[in-house]
Amino acid sequence: GAVVSQHPSWVICKSGTSVKIECRSLDFQATTMFWYRQFPKQSLMLMATSNEGSKATYEQGVEKDKFLINHASLTLSTLTVTSAHPEDSSFYICSARYYRMDYGYTFGSGTRLTVV
Amino acid sequence: AQKVTQAQTEISVVEKEDVTLDCVYETRDTTYYLFWYKQPPSGELVFLIRRNSFDEQNEISGRYSWNFQKSTSSFNFTITASQVVDSAVYFCALSEPSSNTGKLIFGQGTTLQVKP
Repeated sequence: GAVVSQHPSWVICKSGTSVKIECRSLDFQATTMFWYRQFPKQSLMLMATSNEGSKATYEQGVEKDKFLINHASLTLSTLTVTSAHPEDSSFYICSARYYRMDYGYTFGSGTRLTVV
Repeated sequence: AQKVTQAQTEISVVEKEDVTLDCVYETRDTTYYLFWYKQPPSGELVFLIRRNSFDEQNEISGRYSWNFQKSTSSFNFTITASQVVDSAVYFCALSEPSSNTGKLIFGQGTTLQVKP
């Protein structure tokens, strides 16, 4: 239970284009989702927290206009990297918090973005 | 503010050796959760353990064991009789569920290399 599906697994795009990454909770309602970015050999850095039906909360230093997050339903959150540049190349992972018999976080499998 | 420190960047051991990964955390909350995750080269995060702040019992699961000490704000992870398949990056993480977002913050990660 508490499965999150993230797509695509990898994407290559041209500089200046936009890329959308989807994160779906398959068997539970995710009122809160988190988006992380991970550069090679580094930790997962929280980019933003999205709550269903409201604006995302961005961490300090993360450009809101560049990384658009939409959480329009209880099962879907999307991250759009707008006008991507090579420095945006990274591994992006979504996560959802769940409350069932216990409390925890479930993670998508990640999206490897390469901007050429 | 919540913070997690994993001072060991890389550890290399020979198979069958025991290895301990250190984790020190900072939080102002009395209620919090600590986690350990494993990240193999594929990138997916594998959940290993969750511990809440009111449960200081140490835990053992097969070759894995965890030592939680509130007095020193540490949550260390030991692998007994390490195997090559244990090679991965290991992250310690902290969440404060009572905060507005309940976000999960990761330490810097420790890369474990187990040599045959």
